[in-house]
Amino acid sequence: NAGVTQTPKFRILKIGQSMTLQCAQDMNHNYMYWYRQDPGMGLKLIYYSVGAGITDKGEVPNGYNVSRSTTEDFPLRLELAAPSQTSVYFCASTNPGDGYTFGSGTRLTVV
Amino acid sequence: AQSVTQPDIHITVSEGASLELRCNYSYGATPYLFWYVQSPGQGLQLLLKYFSGDTLVQGIKGFEAEFKRSQSSFNLRKPSVHWSDAAEYFCAVGDRAAGNKLTFGGGTRVLVKP
Repeated sequence: NAGVTQTPKFRILKIGQSMTLQCAQDMNHNYMYWYRQDPGMGLKLIYYSVGAGITDKGEVPNGYNVSRSTTEDFPLRLELAAPSQTSVYFCASTNPGDGYTFGSGTRLTVV
Repeated sequence: AQSVTQPDIHITVSEGASLELRCNYSYGATPYLFWYVQSPGQGLQLLLKYFSGDTLVQGIKGFEAEFKRSQSSFNLRKPSVHWSDAAEYFCAVGDRAAGNKLTFGGGTRVLVKP
């Protein structure tokens, strides 16, 4: 009963590098989300998906891409890392009428 | 667009005292409302949620919240605070019409004095 699993937990990137943050859920949730949390701030939505093959932008999508080829997985791609992307990233999932389950987060630093 | 305001950035409360955290939201229809708690360096844990029905909602860890449509509020309360309640608390509204997206308030950090 893993819930929402995020990898890696920590990562340091150099400016201009790329990486993929992984998110997997085993609850058969159709809806999945990526949020970022900056120090002392609430969470802001980057991208979300309402099912396999369907993705949409959230409030702060610039610099990120996503894909949803399966129900279980929702990876977040950073193509050209910038210092402004230093943040903690949370993945979440739900089905309509349920509460949301969050992963434990990925702490990313871009130097 | 929906929005959530948590007017208090920090609250300090003595152990054993009552706690109330304020949350005001803006949403065009009946909202989904949530309270989450986050301990330092941790993820978010759901305390309680409101979808419909009884406007007084009971949650985990002795918390409750009351939905007041006329005031667009969803305040969180606990009668007697424990030291372990020190954390950051986030109110959120879910958009039923667009992928159930959550919009979060800025959070309230609760400090508990012995």
